Amino acid sequence: QSALTQPASVSGSPGQSITISCTGSTSDVGGYNFVSWFQQHPGKAPKFIIYDVTARPSGVSSRFSGSKSGNTASLTISGLQADDEADYYCSSYTSGSTPVVFGGGTKLTVL
Amino acid sequence: EAQLVESGGGLVQPGGSLRLSCAASGFTFSDYWMHWVRQVPGKGLVWVSRIKNDGSTADYADSVRGRFTISRDNAKNTLYLQMNSLRVEDTAVYYCARGGRAVTNQPSGDWGQGTLVTVSS
Repeated sequence: QSALTQPASVSGSPGQSITISCTGSTSDVGGYNFVSWFQQHPGKAPKFIIYDVTARPSGVSSRFSGSKSGNTASLTISGLQADDEADYYCSSYTSGSTPVVFGGGTKLTVL
Repeated sequence: EAQLVESGGGLVQPGGSLRLSCAASGFTFSDYWMHWVRQVPGKGLVWVSRIKNDGSTADYADSVRGRFTISRDNAKNTLYLQMNSLRVEDTAVYYCARGGRAVTNQPSGDWGQGTLVTVSS
């Protein structure tokens, strides 16, 4: 099962909005509404920020939002803050040989 | 508040074995699927394995199938990962994570702090 495709890096200035894409196939992202997103700061465990494409767990800022079109899911962060600088990973349920696949990760730099 | 605490990591030679444990508290462990996810330092997250809440079903990544075995003891609220025939490329931080209740579940909101496994001669 190949990893989902994410851009290696994105950047934005404080207050701006950025979008991170996550591209898969009809066997994963395109076939199910089971895409999740995680934020990971250096040396820390991943933090769950989006599930089921668009839902936010309790306590997660509304500045984080998710969407999907076809085989590509997206995470949008609005009103960028310095603390948003981190690595971001998407994951999806998949009907492939393994049931879960992660994206390769995207490093967000807040300029 | 849910808490997951991994243990059992360390240095092992290629071809060796290691058993990781993940002690769970703060939620009804027997209600949820559980996952193992690994991360080579400086690299991305890679899903490793998952096990159904009652232990009846387990899935594995292609890279570990036949070498790793996931199990759980619901009476002890503990998840395990038995790792045999270890390879240098298995070197990573191993995280346990709570899943959901459905078969389509993935790792969700509760993760451990990770335990480092180093395979080297």
